Amino acid sequence: QVQLVQSGSELKKPGASVKVSCKASGYTFTSYAMNWVRQAPGQGLEWMGWINTNTGNPTYAQGFTGRFVFSLDTSVSTAYLQISSLKAEDTAVYYCASQTTIDFDYWGQGTLVTVSS
Amino acid sequence: NFMLTQPHSVSESPGKTVTISCTGSSGSIASNYVQWYQQRPGSAPTTVIYEDNQRPSGVPDRFSGSIDSSSNSASLTISGLKTEDEADYYCQSYDSSNSWVFGGGTKLTVL
Repeated sequence: QVQLVQSGSELKKPGASVKVSCKASGYTFTSYAMNWVRQAPGQGLEWMGWINTNTGNPTYAQGFTGRFVFSLDTSVSTAYLQISSLKAEDTAVYYCASQTTIDFDYWGQGTLVTVSS
Repeated sequence: NFMLTQPHSVSESPGKTVTISCTGSSGSIASNYVQWYQQRPGSAPTTVIYEDNQRPSGVPDRFSGSIDSSSNSASLTISGLKTEDEADYYCQSYDSSNSWVFGGGTKLTVL
């Protein structure tokens, strides 16, 4: 069965960087797009962008350029989200979500990133 | 920027029917498919409707989706409400700049 397993919670200081991983299993990793979605505490879902798992080409949504980087290691079927120069407002749960059809049909369990001094 | 607007919250009694709306800010909501996701506290979202009105396997037929072009809105209707339906619901669609957009979410209370 398809599974996306994300790395564990992170506590970081402002200005630091964090790298969240999302390991896929149960399907051919390079066949389907991988999206990233942010959910700030008590807030709604916000699409951050996606990465073409076949070509490695990332597309970033408005508001997620510059400090946010999507990457892949196809040898281990894993997608990564790196955030640099962390700010308090980056505190959120970050989800990866694969897209085998039109909807985001498989989601990781989410990774809580807390930015606090 | 394209936005999807949902009511902040709705509530209804068990066994009743509730409808959650999702209104597009511009263009025609019928131009791109609308999806609906259910998110229970502490869990990742799951799809309850895709392509406007299609249910994934395993989603009961109490859940249905529709599009109303006259109001530029999509709707999620849940009939025969159960306490387990209590959750946040998000609509999602695509905008003209090739970006996915989520609605702000609706908290459904079944009381």
